[in-house]
Amino acid sequence: QSALTQPASVSGSPGQSITISCTGTGSDVGAHNFVSWYQQHPGKAPKLMIYDVNKRPSGVSSRFSGSKSGDTASLTISGLQAEDEGDYYCSSYTSSSTWVFGGGTYVTVL
Amino acid sequence: QVQLQESGPGLVKPSQTLSLTCIVSGESVSSGPNYWTWIRQPAGKGLEWIGRIYSTGSTRYNPSLRGRLTISLDTSKNQFSLRLNSVTAADTAVYHCARVRYYEATFDPWGQGTLVTVSS
Repeated sequence: QSALTQPASVSGSPGQSITISCTGTGSDVGAHNFVSWYQQHPGKAPKLMIYDVNKRPSGVSSRFSGSKSGDTASLTISGLQAEDEGDYYCSSYTSSSTWVFGGGTYVTVL
Repeated sequence: QVQLQESGPGLVKPSQTLSLTCIVSGESVSSGPNYWTWIRQPAGKGLEWIGRIYSTGSTRYNPSLRGRLTISLDTSKNQFSLRLNSVTAADTAVYHCARVRYYEATFDPWGQGTLVTVSS
């Protein structure tokens, strides 16, 4: 199984909106709505930010939103804040009953 | 509140077996419906899903690791374990355990992670 494709880095100024893409295939992202997004700060465990393509866990800011079109999922962070800087990973359940991650995107707040 | 904590040796010699345990509190690993999983992250690199186990003991592994990998449950201690045989330097990584929320197929929460280095 191949990793999902994410841009290596995305940047934006405070208050702006950024979008991170996550491209897979019809066997993973395109197969169903089990797409999740995780935020990771250095030395910390990943934190769930979005599940089921566009659902936010309790406690996650409404500035984070998710969407999907075909084989590509996206994470949008609106009103960018300094604390949003870090790595973001998408993951998808696959038609083989396994999981696959994206390579990760580093978000820089300028 | 569910919490997970990894434990195990931080150093393993090449060709030997890497063994880690994940102690779970706040939820029974034997009650279902959730899965329990291992995920690893080499230094400076992305996340790689390793495998998962269900309360029945049913497992599913990453095809790239199949043949070297065993994940098992110890319900008496409410923990699950990872064994990876014939390790090489490429298996050096931070290893995380996590709960897989069954209905959403998502990983939440995660353990803090433990660094395993493969070196002679």
